[in-house]
Amino acid sequence: EPEVTQTPSHQVTQMGQEVILRCVPISNHLYFYWYRQILGQKVEFLVSFYNNEISEKSEIFDDQFSVERPDGSNFTLKIRSTKLEDSAMYFCASSDPLQGLYGYTFGSGTRLTVV
Amino acid sequence: GQQLNQSPQSMFIQEGEDVSMNCTSSSIFNTWLWYKQDPGEGPVLLIALYKAGELTSNGRLTAQFGITRKDSFLNISASIPSDVGIYFCAGPREMRNTPLVFGKGTRLSVIA
Repeated sequence: EPEVTQTPSHQVTQMGQEVILRCVPISNHLYFYWYRQILGQKVEFLVSFYNNEISEKSEIFDDQFSVERPDGSNFTLKIRSTKLEDSAMYFCASSDPLQGLYGYTFGSGTRLTVV
Repeated sequence: GQQLNQSPQSMFIQEGEDVSMNCTSSSIFNTWLWYKQDPGEGPVLLIALYKAGELTSNGRLTAQFGITRKDSFLNISASIPSDVGIYFCAGPREMRNTPLVFGKGTRLSVIA
């Protein structure tokens, strides 16, 4: 079964530091997403990426966030200067229009802890 | 924006019991999704509903898409310990590959 792979599974960082969260989407998928889940809360959309550019972003995705697809396989989320409130699980997802929503697949997440 | 309201927030049930949870919205969704999240994992899709009134089963799980397109329920029959987790309803805001809106989840605990 194809899967979305995220690394690291857990990252601890000091406030103000930059972090890069990495994702390898399913290889034939065309749409890529980042979501965030603060502990005990619902999953919230951050950004979607298609055709090498951001297609949509939420109000959470401010100037301290950026996404990149540096090569043909990786999809990264960078947080420039982390704040305590950035502590959350970050999920990457990918989808393929031909598979409909059954092809919309989430990774296992990166738990980010900002101290 | 679109919001999904799930109830109940949490449930404690005995193994073997049936479970029902639901999800409502003030606006119409064209697709309803039910996900399960195990601790430390990402959401995994259980059932997708595409048509108003649709009733779909996946093993012991049954979900229905309300005819108003503003609600859905998920039933789990004969619960087992591995059903423990958080169940989220979700829907795409517009078309198939747009961002998903999630409910706050129903946390299910099964007592053996």
